[in-house]
Amino acid sequence: TQLLEQSPQFLSIQEGENLTVYCNSSSVFSSLQWYRQEPGEGPVLLVTVVTGGEVKKLKRLTFQFGDARKDSSLHITAAQPGDTGLYLCAGVLGNTGNQFYFGTGTSLTVIP
Amino acid sequence: KAGVTQTPRYLIKTRGQQVTLSCSPISGHRSVSWYQQTPGQGLQFLFEYFSETQRNKGNFPGRFSGRQFSNSRSEMNVSTLELGDSALYLCASSLAANSYNEQFFGPGTRLTVL
Repeated sequence: TQLLEQSPQFLSIQEGENLTVYCNSSSVFSSLQWYRQEPGEGPVLLVTVVTGGEVKKLKRLTFQFGDARKDSSLHITAAQPGDTGLYLCAGVLGNTGNQFYFGTGTSLTVIP
Repeated sequence: KAGVTQTPRYLIKTRGQQVTLSCSPISGHRSVSWYQQTPGQGLQFLFEYFSETQRNKGNFPGRFSGRQFSNSRSEMNVSTLELGDSALYLCASSLAANSYNEQFFGPGTRLTVL
């Protein structure tokens, strides 16, 4: 079983719609990161959240870390075709260096 | 600044063979982590090296090993390849071994085991 479960697994929406991706766990993380990965490439870091309840915004993307540091969400406003990709959350348990546990992934397709 | 490079990009091997993959981190980065990505299991942590020392190891059999050189370049080796080892192997580098540091991923090595 995966430590981090993401939902939905697949998402296909029209350009301009809003969407939210969830990343849930029963474990407490010291930090959590969100990545986007495109075919044939490695994941690219979008954001790191470290404080429970923290909210970070990156243009049309809003990231939230749960108060108990067990879950996170990624909200995209007015999705664009360029947002298409695989979105991954990844967390670290305690202070264990760079041993990241990755979520199951959400494949997003934005249709023009 | 050059990104993380991985060689080779594609590799085809047969069962029972061994393989060595290489990763060159971003200049100045001392931490290198390796991941295996498959459609069924997603991204799974293999191991992390910092200053030539293995700091963390994931839940993989001993056939998977790695090392880091004094210039921070890293290699991973898989011996006695199995069909299930077919995957995208990703390397990530960061400045230090701290979870708050940004990890930069390479493009990966696509390994196919026949």
